[in-house]
Amino acid sequence: AQKVTQAQTEISVVEKEDVTLDCVYETRDTTYYLFWYKQPPSGELVFLIRRNSFDEQNEISGRYSWNFQKSTSSFNFTITASQVVDSAVYFCALSEATGNQFYFGTGTSLTVIP
Amino acid sequence: GAGVSQSPSNKVTEKGKDVELRCDPISGHTALYWYRQSLGQGLEFLIYFQGNSAPDKSGLPSDRFSAERTGGSVSTLTIQRTQQEDSAVYLCASSRDSTGTYEQYFGPGTRLTVT
Repeated sequence: AQKVTQAQTEISVVEKEDVTLDCVYETRDTTYYLFWYKQPPSGELVFLIRRNSFDEQNEISGRYSWNFQKSTSSFNFTITASQVVDSAVYFCALSEATGNQFYFGTGTSLTVIP
Repeated sequence: GAGVSQSPSNKVTEKGKDVELRCDPISGHTALYWYRQSLGQGLEFLIYFQGNSAPDKSGLPSDRFSAERTGGSVSTLTIQRTQQEDSAVYLCASSRDSTGTYEQYFGPGTRLTVT
């Protein structure tokens, strides 16, 4: 079974629209970490955010915000007022305190149309 | 500071040849990971190293794949007798440690094409 599921394969939005990228995870650990990465067309993955399982506070960074809900095992990512530069593939990832691997979702390809 | 570097950036090889891919992690990072990303796909875990501990090789797809890490720093991923299905981008990442607490920082990748 997938530990991290990103059900949205591709999303297209028009510039300035808001968009939410979904991430659902599965773990039996009580201590775990969740991450989002951005992979622009240039190819290099860029770290965006890390959240530990004990901190359910939502976080906002500029136009980016993250909604962590343990009750639904979700860690969704919202981009407000999207821009063309936001076009990229976004990956959600999970690591567990009892293991050493990072489990990546299959990614969501976001296209922002000018 | 310097990020993760990988070389070569592109490699074209003939089927059956061996290739070596190199990764230089961020200085001070004790954990190093290799992933494979096929066109339009997610990241496939291959192997990880933590300090001087034995590596976790559970993701290596076949015995043609091997990796080593010298002096707890530079790592080399070797693919022997390459096959066309080995064509992919090979990504290296490093992290402060392997507890999962810290984020991974990725290199630009090596695009391998097997003809």
